[in-house]
Amino acid sequence: KNQVEQSPQSLIILEGKNCTLQCNYTVSPFSNLRWYKQDTGRGPVSLTIMTFSENTKSNGRYTATLDADTKQSSLHITASQLSDSASYICVVRGPSGGYQKVTFGIGTKLQVIP
Amino acid sequence: EAQVTQNPRYLITVTGKKLTVTCSQNMNHEYMSWYRQDPGLGLRQIYYSMNVEVTDKGDVPEGYKVSRKEKRNFPLILESPSPNQTSLYFCASSLRQGAGMSQGTEAFFGQGTRLTVV
Repeated sequence: KNQVEQSPQSLIILEGKNCTLQCNYTVSPFSNLRWYKQDTGRGPVSLTIMTFSENTKSNGRYTATLDADTKQSSLHITASQLSDSASYICVVRGPSGGYQKVTFGIGTKLQVIP
Repeated sequence: EAQVTQNPRYLITVTGKKLTVTCSQNMNHEYMSWYRQDPGLGLRQIYYSMNVEVTDKGDVPEGYKVSRKEKRNFPLILESPSPNQTSLYFCASSLRQGAGMSQGTEAFFGQGTRLTVV
């Protein structure tokens, strides 16, 4: 069964600090991996998307990395801000061609405190 | 502004009373889908649609219906709601996927509909 596991489940950090969120997946074959940010009670917003041939992708203070061999991805947040408090969801797509199965992780809940 | 719009945002209803949650996108996306999100379970797909008049079941379709009569709209219908359908619902849309495309699915989400069935 295809799975996407994220760690930690929750994280509290001080404003201005960096943090790294992890995503391990078993989806195979693999098409692409996307990280979303979801504010409480709001819809997820895409941060980055990477295909199997990409190792890293940045979006401002967010940098995602991907190791397709070990099936691991990470999302690094630099110089955190209070507005970074949210859930971060890792989503992996299955094989290319036709409909592609999408598997969601449960997410990491990040809280940035002053 | 490119967006996916869901209505209503909040809904409280009674068991068995049919309801419809609307979803509309203004980006001419071919692909649309519905998800429910429950604590500890993450997002789970209910139904998806690859194009007009083309719909298919996701992972948790029981108790739900959808229709796709026009490209921009994808309503979610609960014919006889039950308390276990109390959840946060999201509609999503994206460009049609194909071999080699990197954009993928679920590029844009609506703001969510919080449904309570009592």
